[in-house]
Amino acid sequence: GAVVSQHPSRVICKSGTSVKIECRSLDFQATTMFWYRQFPKQSLMLMATSNEGSKATYEQGVEKDKFLINHASLTLSTLTVTSAHPEDSSFYICSAFWRSTDTQYFGPGTRLTVL
Amino acid sequence: DAKTTQPNSMESNEEEPVHLPCNHSTISGTDYIHWYRQLPSQGPEYVIHGLTSNVNNRMASLAIAEDRKSSTLILHRATLRDAAVYYCILRDVADKLIFGTGTRLQVFP
Repeated sequence: GAVVSQHPSRVICKSGTSVKIECRSLDFQATTMFWYRQFPKQSLMLMATSNEGSKATYEQGVEKDKFLINHASLTLSTLTVTSAHPEDSSFYICSAFWRSTDTQYFGPGTRLTVL
Repeated sequence: DAKTTQPNSMESNEEEPVHLPCNHSTISGTDYIHWYRQLPSQGPEYVIHGLTSNVNNRMASLAIAEDRKSSTLILHRATLRDAAVYYCILRDVADKLIFGTGTRLQVFP
């Protein structure tokens, strides 16, 4: 199946710092990628839709200035958590939509811990 | 966003078939039905999807009701590796997937 990677897989940072998470589609091009957040024992929550070459579309309640999304190429989207705080600690997961198979493929996730 | 309803949990024995139900009574004509599964601390894994007709692949089968208000994911022979949270999701025209709470499947040897 299609492969989507995320980097880093795990990150620990101090409160107030910014953290960048990369999402790559390894064997297909994706004009659309999605970013999700998952807290322990909860389901995935869609944060935003990342569109190649244009601005991301954020879900209601998600601060666009705090969660910066850049989709500069057809295989790479990045999520930057700015001025991270302990409440931002979560499991961040991206997905990439492969139009030829009409399917979203998910990355393995990034565990963010803010101290 | 259209919603789905799934049982919180189900159990199965190894090598037995498993039928995971999903209700989506507010589905629109253009919504695709997707199934994903997730193991702890991993990203969701695609299982199967369909629109109107039943679908089969190497992982599972998807049976869709004629009125499309419900569907059933069928694992023909459960293995211990099939233990996961299974999500039934409706994909809208914007290709967004809105996850519900899913069904936690336990498989016993």
